Amino acid sequence: NAGVTQTPKFQVLKTGQSMTLQCAQDMNHNSMYWYRQDPGMGLRLIYYSASEGTTDKGEVPNGYNVSRLNKREFSLRLESAAPSQTSVYFCAGRTGTGELFFGEGSRLTVL
Amino acid sequence: GENVEQHPSTLSVQEGDSAVIKCTYSDSASNYFPWYKQELGKRPQLIIDIRSNVGEKKDQRIAVTLNKTAKHFSLHITETQPEDSAVYFCAARGGSNYKLTFGKGTLLTVNP
Repeated sequence: NAGVTQTPKFQVLKTGQSMTLQCAQDMNHNSMYWYRQDPGMGLRLIYYSASEGTTDKGEVPNGYNVSRLNKREFSLRLESAAPSQTSVYFCAGRTGTGELFFGEGSRLTVL
Repeated sequence: GENVEQHPSTLSVQEGDSAVIKCTYSDSASNYFPWYKQELGKRPQLIIDIRSNVGEKKDQRIAVTLNKTAKHFSLHITETQPEDSAVYFCAARGGSNYKLTFGKGTLLTVNP
């Protein structure tokens, strides 16, 4: 029972490169989320998916796209990475009681 | 949208003392207020939450209070221990019922 699994855990990109962060959960969550964490800024919501087949913007969606491939998987794509996207990214699933269960995080550096 | 302010940004206490972290929120429709603890290099984990129909909730050494009229809620940790050292985040869920908005976090250091 892995919970929420993110890949990769670490990635270094050059400005302009693209990449996809993968997230998979085995906890039967309907809702899934992508947050970014920057020093002194807390956790900021990028996109969320209330249920399979739906996605919505959060606070900071610019420069990102998401896909809710099925109930288990919710991916985050950077089409043209910028240094401002250097951050730690957390995927989370929401339990029936409203708790967010986070993955271990993905540390992305854009040079 | 919802806006959550959290204070202080850093807090240093002696082992055995109490620690209090305060948050305010802007959306009067918010109805769910969780607190997360994040140890260095780890993922945030829920430690306690409170819903809008309750004014206070306790779980061993931690407690949360909610004042809906003033739109603020607080985390209280008693008899602090070194293992309580971490970053603590408050959050509020607004009217959309799906978005959870976080405060900027409080770095708590408990000195032995």
